[in-house]
Amino acid sequence: GAGVSQTPSNKVTEKGKYVELRCDPISGHTALYWYRQSLGQGPEFLIYFQGTGAADDSGLPNDRFFAVRPEGSVSTLKIQRTERGDSAVYLCASSPTRAGVYNEQFFGPGTRLTVL
Amino acid sequence: AQSVSQHNHHVILSEAASLELGCNYSYGGTVNLFWYVQYPGQHLQLLLKYFSGDPLVKGIKGFEAEFIKSKFSFNLRKPSVQWSDTAEYFCAVNAYTGRRALTFGSGTRLQVQP
Repeated sequence: GAGVSQTPSNKVTEKGKYVELRCDPISGHTALYWYRQSLGQGPEFLIYFQGTGAADDSGLPNDRFFAVRPEGSVSTLKIQRTERGDSAVYLCASSPTRAGVYNEQFFGPGTRLTVL
Repeated sequence: AQSVSQHNHHVILSEAASLELGCNYSYGGTVNLFWYVQYPGQHLQLLLKYFSGDPLVKGIKGFEAEFIKSKFSFNLRKPSVQWSDTAEYFCAVNAYTGRRALTFGSGTRLQVQP
């Protein structure tokens, strides 16, 4: 079946601009995660959705970052007033959720964001 | 806060050599442990996972990992590497704290020379 998809694959923007990154999870997966991967580092957690609600947004670095998942499927990560330090690969992952069980996360290909 | 350390940043091996990549984590409680692999130009894929039970877990492509609780380690091994194993390998941990986020190490780049 189809895996996690992310669009665009690459995004170049100018400092101060607003960007939106989209994630389409595996069909039926109720949990959705956003991570950010800077060059030479492992992915860092940003936010986790269970259904439509953000169950854990403790990884968002500041209030310029916001994410939504209005219908419990597709999610959009929004970054306002982008800064050069926001340049990274933004990864989305999804997983099924079964009560009391931790499930592996399936990752998408990522969106490479470059802020000039 | 929990952290994950991968001490080998870049490893170069010849084909048929044995591989061991180190992973140590800082959380003292119960954990779920993962190794992910990222082949050139591809996205992260799960190599193997440990939730409970036998501390020696086997994954895809001949990889295995051993969970040693007393050492807070989850090292990845393969007896004989192939050129196609050239990739970046990430260790990740989820601690039983109610949070579902993964904490990743910084990765180990493996280069296998033919």
